[in-house]
Amino acid sequence: DAGITQSPRHKVTETGTPVTLRCHQTENHRYMYWYRQDPGHGLRLIHYSYGVKDTDKGEVSDGYSVSRSKTEDFLLTLESATSSQTSVYFCAIGVREGQTDTQYFGPGTRLTVL
Amino acid sequence: AQSVTQLDSQVPVFEEAPVELRCNYSSSVSVYLFWYVQYPNQGLQLLLKYLSGSTLVKGINGFEAEFNKSQTSFHLRKPSVHISDTAEYFCAVSETGGFKTIFGAGTRLFVKA
Repeated sequence: DAGITQSPRHKVTETGTPVTLRCHQTENHRYMYWYRQDPGHGLRLIHYSYGVKDTDKGEVSDGYSVSRSKTEDFLLTLESATSSQTSVYFCAIGVREGQTDTQYFGPGTRLTVL
Repeated sequence: AQSVTQLDSQVPVFEEAPVELRCNYSSSVSVYLFWYVQYPNQGLQLLLKYLSGSTLVKGINGFEAEFNKSQTSFHLRKPSVHISDTAEYFCAVSETGGFKTIFGAGTRLFVKA
């Protein structure tokens, strides 16, 4: 257990509404990540953070923004949700080992956009 | 750019039989390799990882994987599977100096009684 929680665990929303997903960690890790998981695509990186207020885009960042005002919280926001953003969203923390991260995942948030 | 290919989308196997889940990667630099398992409605759990040293890596639940640099592969094996091994398995790769990890599309292992 890497001490990662995600909230909410399930959400149904309507097209055009804003949505914020929260990832919370208890172990003070510097690196945090947001992924989406879709059938046939594995996990795709949306955004990541390498410290408070330090974030960068991943491969599928369009339509998403993130914020990290505290080490323990990494927020993912869909400014105006679309049906293509229906997915399962996973947060991960990265534990630095040598010159790479080993990533540990939260339980996920299932988001449905109607 | 790095990429990961899991060669089988689904692998059905009988209980107590051996299994191999195949993973190939491409990268122009040194890599680190990972296998994760995902049980239904759960997050991903780290099975094992190759960072350096011995190319044969042992993980949890009796799984092991072998890093083959010449064939750019990191296949996952278990000599005797159980019904409880039914899950989706993801291979992943990251590059030296980076902190982005690329995941394969996943292999669904289905163990039959």
